[in-house]
Amino acid sequence: EDQVTQSPEALRLQEGESSSLNCSYTVSGLRGLFWYRQDPGKGPEFLFTLYSAGEEKEKERLKATLTKKESFLHITAPKPEDSATYLCAVQAGGSWGKLQFGAGTQVVVTP
Amino acid sequence: EAQVTQNPRYLITVTGKKLTVTCSQNMNHEYMSWYRQDPGLGLRQIYYSMNVEVTDKGDVPEGYKVSRKEKRNFPLILESPSPNQTSLYFCAFQSGGNYEQYFGPGTRLTVT
Repeated sequence: EDQVTQSPEALRLQEGESSSLNCSYTVSGLRGLFWYRQDPGKGPEFLFTLYSAGEEKEKERLKATLTKKESFLHITAPKPEDSATYLCAVQAGGSWGKLQFGAGTQVVVTP
Repeated sequence: EAQVTQNPRYLITVTGKKLTVTCSQNMNHEYMSWYRQDPGLGLRQIYYSMNVEVTDKGDVPEGYKVSRKEKRNFPLILESPSPNQTSLYFCAFQSGGNYEQYFGPGTRLTVT
């Protein structure tokens, strides 16, 4: 069965204090790994798709990387507006369209 | 820009009173899906649709129905809602071959 585990559950950072979020996955035939940002009471906002090990994607202060077993979301010099819950999801090769989500990492960045 | 709209955004209802949550996309994406989000359980897929008249169960389909008569619309139907269906619901579409899914703003449902 496909599984996605995110750690830590919560992360409190000072503004400017870089850190990384982890997403470990087991899936039979990875079609894609996705990162989303979610603000309270709102829909997940798409950030990145990673398709194969070694791939990296960047957007502003965020950088996502992928290995065969896990993905990292690096937050460099975060600002308070980066506070959100970050969700990781995978889509397996045998289940087109079905996303399996992790529970998320809640990030709070204080000034 | 592709968008998803959901209505209503908030709904309080009573046990057993049938309700429909509408979902509409402004493009002609084939794939659409419904998720529910609950504290501690994350996002779970309810139903998905690959195209008009093609739907299939996700992980938690019990108590829900869907229909896909037109490509743009994918309503979620609760024939006899129960309190355990109190949740935050999201509709999503998948953008072509990139497999990326884009989510609507959510519908917060409370069943008393």
